[in-house]
Amino acid sequence: DTGVSQNPRHKITKRGQNVTFRCDPISEHNRLYWYRQTLGQGPEFLTYFQNEAQLEKSRLLSDRFSAERPKGSFSTLEIQRTEQGDSAMYLCASSLLPGNEQFFGPGTRLTVL
Amino acid sequence: EDKVVQSPLSLVVHEGDTVTLNCSYEVTNFRSLLWYKQEKKAPTFLFMLTSSGIEKKSGRLSSILDKKELFSILNITATQTGDSAVYLCAGGNTGTASKLTFGTGTRLQVTL
Repeated sequence: DTGVSQNPRHKITKRGQNVTFRCDPISEHNRLYWYRQTLGQGPEFLTYFQNEAQLEKSRLLSDRFSAERPKGSFSTLEIQRTEQGDSAMYLCASSLLPGNEQFFGPGTRLTVL
Repeated sequence: EDKVVQSPLSLVVHEGDTVTLNCSYEVTNFRSLLWYKQEKKAPTFLFMLTSSGIEKKSGRLSSILDKKELFSILNITATQTGDSAVYLCAGGNTGTASKLTFGTGTRLQVTL
């Protein structure tokens, strides 16, 4: 499968715990995006990488959130001290060139109890 | 702040009907309008439109963009039950990120 992959697909955690998600983009894509989607809403932009550089972050991304893409390939999104409001689907997308269509992974559904 | 509004919010049609989904946008430094189909998983890319008045087609689906009126439509002809999904519209900008601003989607249900 050469699409975008994400792990885990589901994560249930208790409030206050830290969680980390992984995204593997399409191999030749150097642009990687994280979005968050809550029930009944469209995805909302969180952050963006070009190769290993994180070039833009949404104000939705509080200090508890951090994302990395250490070698310009896979990316991780970590949420520290999770809150119930963090419960959502976290989507990763990648694209080849600026302005090109973004291809989405299957998402990680986070539930914070 | 960039905004994308879709209508209707939901729609129920019979198999074989033709449907039109609407998307209006206000996106600073607009570059492109994208349509995605979302079933119970990640959004699947359908179309990307960058020029006004040029229709894009894929099978029974087609879409067109009006950059003067800041509007796009997605048409689905001869609907099938497999078309049941949420259809998302997104505006992309010319900024470094080319990030997408999504609408809330139109939920389409096609019944037998």
